[in-house]
Amino acid sequence: EAGVAQSPRYKIIEKRQSVAFWCNPISGHATLYWYQQILGQGPKLLIQFQNNGVVDDSQLPKDRFSAERLKGVDSTLKIQPAKLEDSAVYLCASSLVGPGVAKNIQYFGAGTRLSVL
Amino acid sequence: LAKTTQPISMDSYEGQEVNITCSHNNIATNDYITWYQQFPSQGPRFIIQGYKTKVTNEVASLFIPADRKSSTLSLPRVSLSDTAVYYCLVGDYKLIFGTGTLLAVQP
Repeated sequence: EAGVAQSPRYKIIEKRQSVAFWCNPISGHATLYWYQQILGQGPKLLIQFQNNGVVDDSQLPKDRFSAERLKGVDSTLKIQPAKLEDSAVYLCASSLVGPGVAKNIQYFGAGTRLSVL
Repeated sequence: LAKTTQPISMDSYEGQEVNITCSHNNIATNDYITWYQQFPSQGPRFIIQGYKTKVTNEVASLFIPADRKSSTLSLPRVSLSDTAVYYCLVGDYKLIFGTGTLLAVQP
């Protein structure tokens, strides 16, 4: 079974530029998550989709971050404009079940390492 | 969402059994306890999940006392490749990661 695919693996940009990350979840997984992981910290949930609808985006900085999940499959996360503090690894995860189901197990991709100079 | 507390770091030697304890005093009735492992430059990987008593799979065991206010991840006979960060999470569909426990296995 193929895992969660993310691209690119690495990205270096200058502050105030824009950047986009792509995620392809495991086939059949209805729920998709984007996390931000700053060096030395655990992943922080940015946004959660159930199919193509947003379930939780309470921690997404909406003035600069946006995300979409077209047709309930692939997803893109965009940052515009980027700030120095956005330097982090951006992880995508997917799960077979969704909110309200207690045995949710999330499968993570390898992440995209973003460096903002 | 229940907050979890676990040691920041642990050291061990190859071949030893390692037990990492996590406290979650405010666990809710519907919450499951899930452990993830993360290597550098990789995303977290699911290890084990349980609700109560004991769960065992091919890589670890999870011990949960009756009051469910804590849990212990047990890794039998660790090797150098088990050096990683281990996260304990409590909840349902929403996961809140702490800083985890950095396990360092030495020869």
